[in-house]
Amino acid sequence: KAGVTQTPRYLIKTRGQQVTLSCSPISGHRSVSWYQQTPGQGLQFLFEYFSETQRNKGNFPGRFSGRQFSNSRSEMNVSTLELGDSALYLCASSSAGEGTEAFFGQGTRLTVV
Amino acid sequence: EDQVTQSPEALRLQEGESSSLNCSYTVSGLRGLFWYRQDPGKGPEFLFTLYSAGEEKEKERLKATLTKKESFLHITAPKPEDSATYLCAVRAGGFKTIFGAGTRLFVKA
Repeated sequence: KAGVTQTPRYLIKTRGQQVTLSCSPISGHRSVSWYQQTPGQGLQFLFEYFSETQRNKGNFPGRFSGRQFSNSRSEMNVSTLELGDSALYLCASSSAGEGTEAFFGQGTRLTVV
Repeated sequence: EDQVTQSPEALRLQEGESSSLNCSYTVSGLRGLFWYRQDPGKGPEFLFTLYSAGEEKEKERLKATLTKKESFLHITAPKPEDSATYLCAVRAGGFKTIFGAGTRLFVKA
């Protein structure tokens, strides 16, 4: 069974640009969550989607947005990139249940210069 | 406020030296507590889910336990390949998942 796939694995962008990251969940999983991981802040929750609806959002500015498609694939977009957005962005998928574990992808390493 | 605290921040062990990692939590409406292992540059790897106080789960040299306020990850006779960051996460009401800062484990041969 294929795991969670994130693309691209690495990305270098310039301040002010925008970026879109993609996540394909495990087959049959309908929930997708996004996290930002930095050395100083650890894993910070961005948002969670279930059946194309955002059902929770973390404390990030509106520059961070996401969406989920009917096939459960999800995208995350960051507009007007800042140097502080450099991080490992992780996607996790889980089945429908609220208390079920999430499985992570390998992440997208974003560097903003 | 919902909070997850892991201790210690870092732990250095000799091969074969057993120890425990701690995860204390304050959340409203616990839906589940999860342990993950993360290697550098990779995504977290799922280890265990615990749902209620008194529950225990085991996998190879690892054993996770849960009380009403904290969870422990016991590592028995660790090997160098157990070196990693161990993350604790809590699923609270309102579809909220909160991660602790992690414990970096170093096991020396």
